[in-house]
Order: sequence, then structure tokens, then C-alpha cells
Amino acid sequence: AQSVAQPEDQVNVAEGNPLTVKCTYSVSGNPYLFWYVQYPNRGLQFLLKYITGDNLVKGSYGFEAEFNKSQTSFHLKKPSALVSDSALYFCAVSLTGTASKLTFGTGTRLQVTL
Amino acid sequence: NAGVTQTPKFRILKIGQSMTLQCTQDMNHNYMYWYRQDPGMGLKLIYYSVGAGITDKGEVPNGYNVSRSTTEDFPLRLELAAPSQTSVYFCASKPTGNQPQHFGDGTRLSIL
Repeated sequence: AQSVAQPEDQVNVAEGNPLTVKCTYSVSGNPYLFWYVQYPNRGLQFLLKYITGDNLVKGSYGFEAEFNKSQTSFHLKKPSALVSDSALYFCAVSLTGTASKLTFGTGTRLQVTL
Repeated sequence: NAGVTQTPKFRILKIGQSMTLQCTQDMNHNYMYWYRQDPGMGLKLIYYSVGAGITDKGEVPNGYNVSRSTTEDFPLRLELAAPSQTSVYFCASKPTGNQPQHFGDGTRLSIL
């Protein structure tokens, strides 16, 4: 069975500082990894994905994530946080041949303050 | 394009009532999914479909049913509503291949 862990319920960061939202995964096979963001009363919006290739993936709104196979991690990062980045972030994993079914982490709330 | 559209946005049901949550997508995606989101629990897959006429159970299918008669529509049916089904329900779709899922804005359902 596949699983995703987001160890932090909330991450607080000052605007302009770098941010990291952590994600680790467990799968039997090669993972497809995703980050989504959810704003209040909205659905999930896709940020970025890792399928294969370069371990550093760049996505929307200046976010990036680094795939680390040895540590089974896929941490989300941004060099300079904005107040508008405040939202709920979900990491998700799927496997090939599984109809792209996603297994989600429990989410991390990012709070960016002035 | 409207993307993935869910109706209604909010609904209150009494225990034992039934209802259908509607989901339609205009992107001609083959794959469609239903999730429920509970506080602190992430999203759990209820049912999914890989194409019209094909559906399968996800992680938490009990108490729900689905059908997929067309590519566009993937309704979720609650037959006998229970308080444990109070949740926010999200529908998603994706095309074939290594592409991300696109989500609707959800249906907030309360069962009292």
C-alpha cells in the first residue's frame, strides 16, 4: 500500500523568507508525486509534479520541489514567501498502472505573515 | 472552459434521506474521481472511473454508489444518509497519461 506523510500540521514563515513544506512517501515501485494547494472554500489546484528525470521540479507561482529517492521525500520549497501563499498544501502519490489514483497526505497549513 | 463543475455547493440532509451529488467536466477527460475531505484527514478516494461504463471502488466506498453513463458526468449517490457522511466532497478528472487531476470546488454536505 502507498502512503504519504506530512509531518507538520502548520508552517509559519515571514513574508520574504524561504519556506519548506515537508513530505515523505512510501510506495512499492516508482512513484508519481504531486503537490496541490487549497484556498478556503475551493478545490485543490495543481502546483507541480514529479514523474521522472530531473530531481528538482519547478511549478506554478514560484514553487519548486526536490525529489529525493534515498530519503523518500518530496519537499515543497519557495525562495521568498508571499502573504498570498497562505493556504493548505497537500502532497500526493500515485503509481503506474493504478488508474492514477492519488493517495494524499493530511495537509500542511502554511501561514505567511508580514 | 468551465472545467469540473459540482452541484450543489451546499446541502443539509436528514439521517436516512438520499441524494445525488452531481459532477460534470467539459475537458473530455477519461478518468474521473470522487473524494471526501474530512478535517485533518486529507482526501480519501471513494470511487473512480477510467471511462464511460467503467467504475471501481476506492478506499472508502461504503454507503455510496456511482455511475458513468457518459464521459462528462460522474454522479455520486448517497442512499441512506448517515452522520458519518458529513464531509466535503470533491470530484476530479484527468486525461490519459501522466497528467494531474483537475478538481471541482466541492460540495459541503451536512447530515443531521
